[in-house]
Amino acid sequence: GNSVTQMEGPVTLSEEAFLTINCTYTATGYPSLFWYVQYPGEGLQLLLKATKADDKGSNKGFEATYRKETTSFHLEKGSVQVSDSAVYFCALSEGSGGGADGLTFGKGTHLIIQP
Amino acid sequence: DAGVTQSPTHLIKTRGQQVTLRCSPKSGHDTVSWYQQALGQGPQFIFQYYEEEERQRGNFPDRFSGHQFPNYSSELNVNALLLGDSALYLCASSLLSFGETQYFGPGTRLLVL
Repeated sequence: GNSVTQMEGPVTLSEEAFLTINCTYTATGYPSLFWYVQYPGEGLQLLLKATKADDKGSNKGFEATYRKETTSFHLEKGSVQVSDSAVYFCALSEGSGGGADGLTFGKGTHLIIQP
Repeated sequence: DAGVTQSPTHLIKTRGQQVTLRCSPKSGHDTVSWYQQALGQGPQFIFQYYEEEERQRGNFPDRFSGHQFPNYSSELNVNALLLGDSALYLCASSLLSFGETQYFGPGTRLLVL
């Protein structure tokens, strides 16, 4: 079956540091890939997505590139801020409905940014 | 425009009881998905409803059932509750077309004693 593996947290960085959160996946076909973020006290919200190989999703300074050859979708940001502190989830969906299909999530990575 | 809403926000039940959770989708959305999120884990897909039918289902037992109403709102029912059913239950709505985003509600936190 499908699965998503992402680096364990918490990840603690200083403000303005470079961020990478690794995500790899296992799927039988060609999934769509997503990063969701959960800020403290808030619901899950979509951060970015990519629906085919070599696509790059980007939003709020975050980027991730869909790498089919390495089955990866690593999240990066050049300069993190305290407000980026949250739990980040990598996810995939596979099927005719694309992003509307049931999502398979990783366990989440808790990111802590210190001033 | 109201987003996805869920009720109740919190619920306490005892083992063996039954529970019903409710979800109203974002305006204009026709598809509702339900997820279970245990503490410290990522959400796990339970099932999805479209046009009042179960369209997809994850690896959950038949104790978990659902319903979608003509106004697209949805219910999740869990029978014969177990301690392990304690979790945050998330509802997400979307339009059933390729590449569409799922929008999540704030969740219902269920505690089974």
